[in-house]
Amino acid sequence: GAVVSQHPSWVICKSGTSVKIECRSLDFQATTMFWYRQFPKQSLMLMATSNEGSKATYEQGVEKDKFLINHASLTLSTLTVTSAHPEDSSFYICSARALAGVQYEQYFGPGTRLTVT
Amino acid sequence: GQQLNQSPQSMFIQEGEDVSMNCTSSSIFNTWLWYKQDPGEGPVLLIALYKAGELTSNGRLTAQFGITRKDSFLNISASIPSDVGIYFCAGPPVGANNLFFGTGTRLTVIP
Repeated sequence: GAVVSQHPSWVICKSGTSVKIECRSLDFQATTMFWYRQFPKQSLMLMATSNEGSKATYEQGVEKDKFLINHASLTLSTLTVTSAHPEDSSFYICSARALAGVQYEQYFGPGTRLTVT
Repeated sequence: GQQLNQSPQSMFIQEGEDVSMNCTSSSIFNTWLWYKQDPGEGPVLLIALYKAGELTSNGRLTAQFGITRKDSFLNISASIPSDVGIYFCAGPPVGANNLFFGTGTRLTVIP
């Protein structure tokens, strides 16, 4: 149980284009989903927190107009990187917290590697 | 911001050896989580701890919630090659709604 999927697993795009990454909780409903970014050999850095049906809360330093988050249902959240630049190249990982169950246990997707050329 | 420091940063051990790593924070936590991340993958939850002093096992893994509530420890017994990866501690500080991650411990097991 507690499986989170992400799509695509990797993507290469040209500078200036937009990329959408999907995150789905497959066997549970997620009250809250989180988006992290991880640079090589570094830890995970929280970008934003989203609750179903409401606006995402962004961490300091994360541009909300650049990283658009939509949490349309209890099983789906999307992250759109708009006008991507090479410095946006990173490993993006989503996480979901179950609607029921133990508080603070988060389950992570397999990640999406974004390369902007 | 929240600081979670893990020690050691990296470890190289022989297969069969035991491993110990720890995580310390600058503030009190109510929950400690330990994750393992394989290259190119998302973190996988290994153990969750919910009260000070708690000791919990998951197979060859044992984790403890420090009594000061500012630290946690993870031990791996009789390491095997598939234990290779990066181990992260994580937790929500008191009053926070999201997880902060530690700096990670990179484990290499030499067959």
